[in-house]
Amino acid sequence: RKEVEQDPGPFNVPEGATVAFNCTYSNSASQSFFWYRQDCRKEPKLLMSVYSSGNEDGRFTAQLNRASQYISLLIRDSKLSDSATYLCVVGHNDMRFGAGTRLTVKP
Amino acid sequence: DTEVTQTPKHLVMGMTNKKSLKCEQHMGHRAMYWYKQKAKKPPELMFVYSYEKLSINESVPSRFSPECPNSSLLNLHLHALQPEDSALYLCASSQDRASGGGNIQYFGAGTRLSVL
Repeated sequence: RKEVEQDPGPFNVPEGATVAFNCTYSNSASQSFFWYRQDCRKEPKLLMSVYSSGNEDGRFTAQLNRASQYISLLIRDSKLSDSATYLCVVGHNDMRFGAGTRLTVKP
Repeated sequence: DTEVTQTPKHLVMGMTNKKSLKCEQHMGHRAMYWYKQKAKKPPELMFVYSYEKLSINESVPSRFSPECPNSSLLNLHLHALQPEDSALYLCASSQDRASGGGNIQYFGAGTRLSVL
């Protein structure tokens, strides 16, 4: 079983749609949780950290469920510029990347 | 713009060449990382340096040799590479390796390597 698993997609949604990604992890000792965004042929960039109580940043909401060992990312009112690959990153001292979920937002 | 700088941006090398990739950060971070990323795959961790000491080598072949001359610099020396080593090589840094936000990693733009 992979340490971090994500649905690879692709997710193709119209502008304005709400889309949710999930990510499961196998190591119950994991302490750090992040969502990164990677555009084509660019480096990964931190989108948001994920906190136990859940957190929101504008149109983006991240949730952590330690009991079920998954994190989620919700994007509301999606924009064309949200098209990218979203990487789930989980770990303690060493971070492990999920395979990424490809999102395409269409006009 | 990324505060982690990688050079060169592109590199083409033959299988008998020796080349080096360079990475620099001036954020005072004490952990630095090398990743390899193939197309449509996530980054794969290669090496981790913590306080200028090699902490992790993820069973990387010896044709890849990392070096951390000081806390701001990280090099990856390449020798006798194979065509399958062609990939995007990403450097990252973090404040340290402790959880709680200190281990947020910031990536450089990468070096796109082609081995002929």
